Amino acid sequence: AQSVTQPDIHITVSEGASLELRCNYSYGATPYLFWYVQSPGQGLQLLLKYFSGDTLVQGIKGFEAEFKRSQSSFNLRKPSVHWSDAAEYFCAVGPRDGNEKLTFGTGTRLTIIP
Amino acid sequence: KAGVTQTPRYLIKTRGQQVTLSCSPISGHRSVSWYQQTPGQGLQFLFEYFSETQRNKGNFPGRFSGRQFSNSRSEMNVSTLELGDSALYLCASSGLAGVSEQYFGPGTRLTVT
Repeated sequence: AQSVTQPDIHITVSEGASLELRCNYSYGATPYLFWYVQSPGQGLQLLLKYFSGDTLVQGIKGFEAEFKRSQSSFNLRKPSVHWSDAAEYFCAVGPRDGNEKLTFGTGTRLTIIP
Repeated sequence: KAGVTQTPRYLIKTRGQQVTLSCSPISGHRSVSWYQQTPGQGLQFLFEYFSETQRNKGNFPGRFSGRQFSNSRSEMNVSTLELGDSALYLCASSGLAGVSEQYFGPGTRLTVT
């Protein structure tokens, strides 16, 4: 069965520091890969997605993620965080067979300190 | 283009009651998926509808049901509410590109007392 692991439940970084959120997945074949962000009381906003091609994917708000097939990982990075980046981040995988079901990780809560 | 809308945004119900939540997808999208988000279980897939037919179903009891109308709007119903049904219910709509083009609504916060 497919699964997504986000090993860090909570991360605290200083404003202006770099950020890396980890995501590992278990899947039969390379799935579609996503990162979503959720602010308190809000829905999910798509940051970026990987389907194929260049393994370094650029997203919105200055985020990027790198797909590493050998490590089954899709880590999210940002070179310099802003206070407004404080939120919960979810990694998700989706099948390539037309099935609409996304499988999510448990999320990483990001706190920014001044 | 308007995004995915969900109504109501907040709801308080009593154990044993039933509830209906509504989701209007992005114009032109024919697929609607529903997810439940709780602190303990995280985000879990409930079901997905496409052209008024349920195409996929998650591992939830039969108290959770849904339907989709000809205009692609979808409703989900939870009967005989339990305290554990308190959650944020998110719906997502997809266009022809499927899961690769899935957009989420703001959610309905259901509290069961």
